[in-house]
Amino acid sequence: GAVVSQHPSRVICKSGTSVKIECRSLDFQATTMFWYRQFPKKSLMLMATSNEGSKATYEQGVEKDKFLINHASLTLSTLTVTSAHPEDSSFYICSARQGDSPLHFGNGTRLTVT
Amino acid sequence: EDQVTQSPEALRLQEGESSSLNCSYTVSGLRGLFWYRQDPGKGPEFLFTLYSAGEEKEKERLKATLTKKESFLHITAPKPEDSATYLCAVRVTGNQFYFGTGTSLTVIP
Repeated sequence: GAVVSQHPSRVICKSGTSVKIECRSLDFQATTMFWYRQFPKKSLMLMATSNEGSKATYEQGVEKDKFLINHASLTLSTLTVTSAHPEDSSFYICSARQGDSPLHFGNGTRLTVT
Repeated sequence: EDQVTQSPEALRLQEGESSSLNCSYTVSGLRGLFWYRQDPGKGPEFLFTLYSAGEEKEKERLKATLTKKESFLHITAPKPEDSATYLCAVRVTGNQFYFGTGTSLTVIP
């Protein structure tokens, strides 16, 4: 149980284009979803928290106009990186929880911006 | 300031050589401590939740314990397939989670 699916697993895009990453909870309803960014040998850096049907809450220093988060249903959240630049290249991971459950993570998306 | 520190940063063990990973925390109001396993290029996989000092959880060769200031992940007779990065996280309030930087475990056959 508690499976979170994230797609795509890898994406390469050109500088200036946008890319969308999907995160789905497959067997539970995710009241809250989280988006993280992970740098090599570093901890998970929380980017934003979203509740279904509400606007996402972004962490300090994360540009909300650049990283668009939509949590339209209890099983789907999307992260769109707009006008991507090489410095946006990173490993993005989503997680989801239902009520008071632990966080359950997707398998991440490796974004490379050329 | 709420903080989670994991040690050691990296650990190399011979197959069968038991050891422990440490997660120390300074938070105001612990509402759960979580252990995850992360394989390279993958998302973290949930292992355990601990809520109160003295609590212990076990799964196969792993055993997690909790005190008021730290948690240990004990690995008994590890196998090469236990090689991964182990992350701990603490929940403070609501949806506020703090993660450590992980311990990279390598088990040598």
